[in-house]
This record gives sequence, C-alpha cells and structure tokens, in this order.
Amino acid sequence: KAGVTQTPRYLIKTRGQQVTLSCSPISGHRSVSWYQQTPGQGLQFLFEYFSETQRNKGNFPGRFSGRQFSNSRSEMNVSTLELGDSALYLCASSFRDGAYEQYFGPGTRLTVT
Amino acid sequence: QQQVKQSPQSLIVQKGGISIINCAYENTAFDYFPWYQQFPGKGPALLIAIRPDVSEKKEGRFTISFNKSAKQFSLHIMDSQPGDSATYFCAATSSNSGYALNFGKGTSLLVTP
Repeated sequence: KAGVTQTPRYLIKTRGQQVTLSCSPISGHRSVSWYQQTPGQGLQFLFEYFSETQRNKGNFPGRFSGRQFSNSRSEMNVSTLELGDSALYLCASSFRDGAYEQYFGPGTRLTVT
Repeated sequence: QQQVKQSPQSLIVQKGGISIINCAYENTAFDYFPWYQQFPGKGPALLIAIRPDVSEKKEGRFTISFNKSAKQFSLHIMDSQPGDSATYFCAATSSNSGYALNFGKGTSLLVTP
C-alpha cells in the first residue's frame, strides 16, 4: 500500500505570496492532519480534517488554512507568506475517526525569501 | 508552552550499546504516547507507541517504559546500530485534544561503529 504522498516536495516563494500544498493520504485513510516543523519550534500541529470538515486547529494565524476533498485528499494554503513560514510542512493520515496512529508523508520544504 | 519535554537533545552511543531517551508530560488527559523516528529528508515514521494502562511495551530492539505516577516515559534502543542514527521524537495526545500530537523537541542519536 502506498504511503502518504505530498506535492510538491520543494517550493521557493517570495514574501507576500501565497502557496498551496497538497497531500494524498494512505488509501482508505479518512483523517488528515497537518504539522509544521522548524528547527526552533519543532513539530507543531496546524489542523486536522475528517470527512471534509476541519475538526481541530492549532495555534496558528488565520493565514494558514486548509480543506479536504471527498476523496480524502487535502490541501493547505498559506497566504501573505512571511519569512518565518519557511519550514517543512508535514501531512499525516489516520485510518478512521478515533484512530490514534498517524502516518506521515515526506513533507514539503517551503522556503520563503 | 511545550506540553512534552524531551531529553537529551543529542546522544552518542557506541554500536551494541543501549540508547535511552526520556520524555515528561504534564497533561494527565494524554492517553496515547508514540515515538517517531526521522531520518534527514524524510517524514517522521511511527516506531512504537504505548497506552497508559501498561508500564512497558517491547517491539524488537525498541522498548517503551511508562511511569504514569511520574508522568514520564522513555524509549530504550537495545543493541544500538549505526542504522539507528536518526532524530527521535516522543509525542502525546488524547481524544480530548482531537488526537493532535504534541511533540517533544527531538533527540539526535548518533551510533558510532
């Protein structure tokens, strides 16, 4: 079974632009979560989607948003990029509602210049 | 604030030795404690996890020890191998928090030949 896939793997954007990242969960998994990983703050939870609904959100500004489609694929969007948004953005999928085990993709490395 | 504290930040162990990484948490509502292994350029991979109703869980060379009263848990890697050299993250979550993973800051493990 294929793992979590994320596209693109690498991205360079300019401050003030916006960006959309994509995540395809493991086949059959219906829950998708997003995390931001930086050297300073470590791994931080962004939000979680299940059945196209955002069920949980971390402590990030409104510039960070996401959505989930009926096939469980998810996208996250960051508007008005800041230099501090440079990070590895990780997507994780879970099999079902209430499943604790989360399986991560390889991430998208975003660099904001 | 950091809900899960992890130590040490880095660790050097000789091949064949035991690697020990410790984590502590404050939130008594946490009921699932996974460990993740991350290699450079990859996403975190679920290694082993434990629920608070057991004090120890072993999978191959990896063991989690859990002390509910002290609110601490640790990862032991027996017979450490150079291929174990990676960054290890402990995490904690609960159904109350919507299964969002709260990560420790990570431990960079180097196993020398």
